[in-house]
Amino acid sequence: AQSVTQPDIHITVSEGASLELRCNYSYGATPYLFWYVQSPGQGLQLLLKYFSGDTLVQGIKGFEAEFKRSQSSFNLRKPSVHWSDAAEYFCAVGAQGGSEKLVFGKGTKLTVNP
Amino acid sequence: DAGVIQSPRHEVTEMGQEVTLRCKPISGHNSLFWYRQTMMRGLELLIYFNNNVPIDDSGMPEDRFSAKMPNASFSTLKIQPSEPRDSAVYFCASRSYSNQPQHFGDGTRLSIL
Repeated sequence: AQSVTQPDIHITVSEGASLELRCNYSYGATPYLFWYVQSPGQGLQLLLKYFSGDTLVQGIKGFEAEFKRSQSSFNLRKPSVHWSDAAEYFCAVGAQGGSEKLVFGKGTKLTVNP
Repeated sequence: DAGVIQSPRHEVTEMGQEVTLRCKPISGHNSLFWYRQTMMRGLELLIYFNNNVPIDDSGMPEDRFSAKMPNASFSTLKIQPSEPRDSAVYFCASRSYSNQPQHFGDGTRLSIL
């Protein structure tokens, strides 16, 4: 069964600084990988997804993520954070050709200081 | 396009009462998922349907929980009787097919007193 670890529960960055949110997954085959963002009182919005091909994927709002099979990682990055990026971020893994379930990490809460 | 629509957005009720949460998936999506989100346990999958058929309900906590999908445009999650520990945010999500991402509704915040 797949699993996801987001080692950072809470991260604080200054506006304009770069950001990297870590995600490590456990799955025996090639996974589907996703990053979602959740603002307070809202549902989860898809930022980006990886299925196959280019290991660097671009998403909405200027985010990108890189799939590194050797490290079982799918870290989310943004070169310059805006105050509106403050939210909770969830990494999720699904199984290609297997169960249709997604397994979510516990989330990383991002605070942006002015 | 309309997204996943959940109702009610908030529900406060006393323990022992029946609670029914509703979900309208995105038109054309054939998979529907119910999740529960709490601070302690994070986001947990309760049950999912493919083409209105329940496929995996192993995440349903106990017999007090039941879910139905009578047609492609409507699903319910029912708790009877409700207990304080059921207090959480419940999300519904839908997906067109297996290699596409899930789209989430805004959730129902349930408080059982």
